[in-house]
This record gives sequence, C-alpha cells and structure tokens, in this order.
Amino acid sequence: DVVMTQSPLSLPVTLGQPASISCRSSQSLVHSDGNNYLSWFQQRPGQSPRRLIYKGSTRDSGVPDRFSGSGSGTDFTLKISRVEAEDVGVYYCMQGTHWPRTFGQGTKVEIK
Amino acid sequence: EVQLVESGGGLVKPGGSLRLSCAASGFTFTNAWMSWVRQAPGKGLEWLGRIKSKTDGGTADYAAPVKGRFSISRDDSENTVYLQMNNLKTEDTALYYCTTLGLDYWGQGTLVTVSS
Repeated sequence: DVVMTQSPLSLPVTLGQPASISCRSSQSLVHSDGNNYLSWFQQRPGQSPRRLIYKGSTRDSGVPDRFSGSGSGTDFTLKISRVEAEDVGVYYCMQGTHWPRTFGQGTKVEIK
Repeated sequence: EVQLVESGGGLVKPGGSLRLSCAASGFTFTNAWMSWVRQAPGKGLEWLGRIKSKTDGGTADYAAPVKGRFSISRDDSENTVYLQMNNLKTEDTALYYCTTLGLDYWGQGTLVTVSS
C-alpha cells in the first residue's frame, strides 16, 4: 500500500498568518492519465470531513481561495494564505491513484 | 442537494455481525461508485472499500484490515449502499462514513462499538 506521510502533525498558527502542510507519498501519484490524484480534506471538530482540493490543486466548489494545493509525483503541499478562526481542525491528504486509497495521519491546525 | 445518511450502528460483541446502510439522494445513484471510510475514536481516517456501479460490473474491493470480514453491496432500487461487517473485533470500533467515490460528499457517520 502507498504510505502517505504528513508534516507537521501539529501546527499552531497565528490568525491572519500563512500555514503550510506537507504530504509525501511512498510511490509516485502520477496516474497513467497524467493527473496526480491527491486530495486534501478538512475535518472541523465534531464534523464529517470535507474535501477541499482534488487532483493536487483544484479547489472544490465553495472552498475559499485562501486554500491552495500544489505538488506532483510524491511531494504535495496545502497552503492557507491567511488563517482564520474557522480553519481550526485536522487536515488530511489522501491518494486516489493507487488501490487501496490511503490517507495521511492528519495535521491538527490550532490557533496560538 | 446530495445527501448521504448512514444508519445501523450500535453496540455489538466481539465476533458478532452488523449491517450498516447508507441512503443516498440528490444524484444519480445508479451511476455512482460508492466508498466506506471509518474513523476510530480520536484517530485518523481509514478507507475500507468501494463498490462499482452495476454498469461497471458492480464489484467491490477492500482494504487489507477488513478483507474477508466486510462486504459492500448495493440496492439501486432503494438508492442504498450497505456495509456488512462480520467477525467484528474491538479494533473495528469507529465512526463509519459512507462517501461518494471521490470522497467529495460524506454522510454524518454511524458509530459502531465492539465490546464485550
């Protein structure tokens, strides 16, 4: 199975400041169709996960543009340009190129 | 509006069985591949398996920890996907989510507790 490794696992941030989460895969996520099937999810406390980004960098409908995804192959990044209070929660990456799908361990974002 | 509503969770003894249901609405269910994901208390997300649409064969595939014990099925006439869980272990205690294939839509989850 593809192992997804996130860092950091805990991320204290100041409101209005940027934040960045790294996700690395043990195998390349480049699909035969050329896409990198890497998704990012946000899970706010007490809520179901919500997909933010798919195919590495495409934002889902309704996701604020302060969230951006980048990367290719085995290295991916989720960036929040200016953290807001509502961004508190746990963020997961997940690869959708190989079976079975696998998630990263999660990164907990909290406000300093 | 897409809705996924899970049900069927509860308390079960080790070695027991449980069947979870997920009622879908707001999209063309017959064309959809569906997945199940779980989350143990205080832990991360774990993908369990997925079932293809009937037109794509209707077969299911599973993650190693549940292969041979869990099975996914669907009833397109009821817009419902099921997760049959047999020989349950204490480590299967988790919140179980039904999702679309791309995990773009999630239900609210149903809690399964395996304990004697």
